[in-house]
Amino acid sequence: DTGVSQDPRHKITKRGQNVTFRCDPISEHNRLYWYRQTLGQGPEFLTYFQNEAQLEKSRLLSDRFSAERPKGSFSTLEIQRTEQGDSAMYLCASSFEGYGYTFGSGTRLTVV
Amino acid sequence: DAKTTQPTSMDCAEGRAANLPCNHSTISGNEYVYWYRQIHSQGPQYIIHGLKNNETNEMASLIITEDRKSSTLILPHATLRDTAVYYCIVRSNSGNTPLVFGKGTRLSVIA
Repeated sequence: DTGVSQDPRHKITKRGQNVTFRCDPISEHNRLYWYRQTLGQGPEFLTYFQNEAQLEKSRLLSDRFSAERPKGSFSTLEIQRTEQGDSAMYLCASSFEGYGYTFGSGTRLTVV
Repeated sequence: DAKTTQPTSMDCAEGRAANLPCNHSTISGNEYVYWYRQIHSQGPQYIIHGLKNNETNEMASLIITEDRKSSTLILPHATLRDTAVYYCIVRSNSGNTPLVFGKGTRLSVIA
């Protein structure tokens, strides 16, 4: 297993466009997390899944954001009608029952 | 909100020990202290965690005070590759609470 993979590594999009990011967790891990990180700040929790169920969502996750984890494997994070304030690094992590967090290298989104 | 307080930045000479402090005065009895670090353009990486006893692994040592209100992460022989942001996190060991990150300490190891 090569760890947590995120795709793409970088994304530049125009304001108002929709974007989708993908995360492939460690195969034995049943939990998957999404975080957002802006410059100079620590990662901020967005949401997490246990298997295919979305168990918790942060108030940071506006209605323009949606995450899915079909079949409890990979996950996607979609942002609709992107705004400049959405520019950030989006990090994915996985764990087994909340232990052994492993983070991916992130997707850097730039909204122009 | 993060339950920890860390200095914004620190410098350390290469080859010397780096001692990174963390205050967590409101820690409760079932909460562990975790340390992660984030090297530029990468995701956070687990370093070590502990409850009340001192812990050591191949990366670092964790010293927790007897009252558990503060701790120190020690990198015994810092190298340039240890330059990173270090996060101290207090978390229940139930596993159900996602990791909550503060701003961390930016450690610069200087040749």
